[in-house]
Amino acid sequence: KAGVTQTPRYLIKTRGQQVTLSCSPISGHRSVSWYQQTPGQGLQFLFEYFSETQRNKGNFPGRFSGRQFSNSRSEMNVSTLELGDSALYLCASSLAQVPGAGYTFGSGTRLTVV
Amino acid sequence: TQLLEQSPQFLSIQEGENLTVYCNSSSVFSSLQWYRQEPGEGPVLLVTVVTGGEVKKLKRLTFQFGDARKDSSLHITAAQPGDTGLYLCAANAGNNRKLIWGLGTSLAVNP
Repeated sequence: KAGVTQTPRYLIKTRGQQVTLSCSPISGHRSVSWYQQTPGQGLQFLFEYFSETQRNKGNFPGRFSGRQFSNSRSEMNVSTLELGDSALYLCASSLAQVPGAGYTFGSGTRLTVV
Repeated sequence: TQLLEQSPQFLSIQEGENLTVYCNSSSVFSSLQWYRQEPGEGPVLLVTVVTGGEVKKLKRLTFQFGDARKDSSLHITAAQPGDTGLYLCAANAGNNRKLIWGLGTSLAVNP
C-alpha cells in the first residue's frame, strides 16, 4: 500500500509570507501527527489529529495551525514566517491514536525561509 | 520535563565493527521505539519494546529495554555502510499521547 505522502518536498519562502504543507496518510490510518525537525532541537511535536479533531498540541506559537479532512488528509499552515521556521516538517500517520503503536513517517517538506 | 538522552551523539566506525548506542532517562516508560532516519527522508520505525528486560532482534540489530523501563540500547553486529543514518529513540510515558524523542545518534559506517 502507498506510504505517507507529503507535498511539496522542498519550499523556499520569504520572511512574513505564509505556507501550507500537505500530508496524505496511509489508507485507513486516522491519526496524523506533525513534527518540526531541526539539527539542534531534534523532533519537536506540533500537533496530532484524529478523525478531524485536534487531540494534542505542542508548544508552538499560534502562527502554526493545522487541520484534518474527512478523508484523513491533513494540512498545516504557518503564517508570518520567520527565519527560525526553516526546518524539515514531518508528517506521521498511525492506525490507532496510541503513540506506542508506532508511526509511519512521510519524507518530509524541507522549508527554507529567507 | 521528561528527557531522553541518547549517546553517543556521533559515531564513525569501519565496516565489520560492532557498536552499541544508548537511550536513557530518569522516567519510566510504557513503551519505547527505535527509528532510523536517512538524510532527506523521514524516520523509519525499527522496533517497539514494551516489557522491562525485553530483547528483540532484527537481523544484525539487537534491541533491549531496561528492566526498569527507563532505558534502552541498540547493538549492531558487523556494521555495514547501509546501517549509516540517524538512530532515534522515542518513548511513551503513558500519561498522554505525546511521544518524547531523543536527539539521536548519528552513525557513519565507512567501507
